[in-house]
Amino acid sequence: DQQVKQNSPSLSVQEGRISILNCDYTNSMFDYFLWYKKYPAEGPTFLISISSIKDKNEDGRFTVFLNKSAKHLSLHIVPSQPGDSAVYFCAASATGNQFYFGTGTSLTVIP
Amino acid sequence: EAQVTQNPRYLITVTGKKLTVTCSQNMNHEYMSWYRQDPGLGLRQIYYSMNVEVTDKGDVPEGYKVSRKEKRNFPLILESPSPNQTSLYFCASGDPREFGYEQYFGPGTRLTVT
Repeated sequence: DQQVKQNSPSLSVQEGRISILNCDYTNSMFDYFLWYKKYPAEGPTFLISISSIKDKNEDGRFTVFLNKSAKHLSLHIVPSQPGDSAVYFCAASATGNQFYFGTGTSLTVIP
Repeated sequence: EAQVTQNPRYLITVTGKKLTVTCSQNMNHEYMSWYRQDPGLGLRQIYYSMNVEVTDKGDVPEGYKVSRKEKRNFPLILESPSPNQTSLYFCASGDPREFGYEQYFGPGTRLTVT
């Protein structure tokens, strides 16, 4: 059973606009959340993380929001750039060392 | 250059023929892990290792073995591969942060079992 879900397999956004990628989880014990970005033929690369003691974490153009009551997190990319086109995975952990990943959302940023 | 390397990158084998996928990292990380990626299922953790000699099962350990005798290496062993182990495999090493590990992934190994 998928404990971390990304219900949108794909998303297209115009360059310069905001990209919002969503992730839902079912396990209330998860307290550490991460986003990874993956280009074709490469391994995922770490993007940003957040712990459950926060509801927002920002790093440049990337912001992650966590809504614990809804068991939902989102990644905002502002402004979106063509180089952001990739597959984005969210991941969650209750222990900090065992991780559950979502199925990924393919983002296309249109120039 | 800090990196995680995996070998081979591509492998086609037959059912039942034992194989090993090697993984090595040069970042002096204690934590290492293996994942498989399948369409519609995302990445699923197979095994992870907190340090040398200590390993633990992830979400999908059945049919796999691992070995962690040195900090830098974490090979994945398939004693008797089956077609349902056809997948894209990623090795990762982890940089400890306050609440958990941020992982650095290798480039992947595409395995086909016929």
